[in-house]
Amino acid sequence: AQSVSQHNHHVILSEAASLELGCNYSYGGTVNLFWYVQYPGQHLQLLLKYFSGDPLVKGIKGFEAEFIKSKFSFNLRKPSVQWSDTAEYFCAVIDYKLSFGAGTTVTVRA
Amino acid sequence: KAGVTQTPRYLIKTRGQQVTLSCSPISGHRSVSWYQQTPGQGLQFLFEYFSETQRNKGNFPGRFSGRQFSNSRSEMNVSTLELGDSALYLCASSLGSSASYNEQFFGPGTRLTVL
Repeated sequence: AQSVSQHNHHVILSEAASLELGCNYSYGGTVNLFWYVQYPGQHLQLLLKYFSGDPLVKGIKGFEAEFIKSKFSFNLRKPSVQWSDTAEYFCAVIDYKLSFGAGTTVTVRA
Repeated sequence: KAGVTQTPRYLIKTRGQQVTLSCSPISGHRSVSWYQQTPGQGLQFLFEYFSETQRNKGNFPGRFSGRQFSNSRSEMNVSTLELGDSALYLCASSLGSSASYNEQFFGPGTRLTVL
């Protein structure tokens, strides 16, 4: 079964700092990857997805991710975070089900 | 368009009891998947229903079961509750089955506490 791993459990940043969250996937074939976000008290929302094509994927709220096949990576980035980006972020891969990483808690300090 | 709704939002049960959770997908969506979210295990897939048929099942004991109705609404049942079943149970709906890699839209979840 396909799986993903996330490198950081908890990241603390100041507003306007840049954010990069690591995600590595296990499967060497065709993969379909996602980043989801869970804001405090809210449901999981899709930030962006990669199915094929341009490896640089742009999502909502200024987030982007780069699919690097040679590194089995799908890292999430945001150039300048805001306090409202405080949330838990999940990388996921889909085959017959969504398999999530352990999640990274991001705390943005004002 | 209304999102995925789950009822109830919160439940408190005692060990040994059973519980039924409900999920109403987005109108037109035919696939419903269930996930369990806990601090220790993270998000884990329970099962997926598509057109009233269970398509896939995760690695959970038989105490966890589900069904889907003709209007695509789904229910999940947990029998003989254990303390470790305390979790946030998430429902996600999509247009087609997960095998076709449709985007899944998540509901707010049902927070189950087992005492």
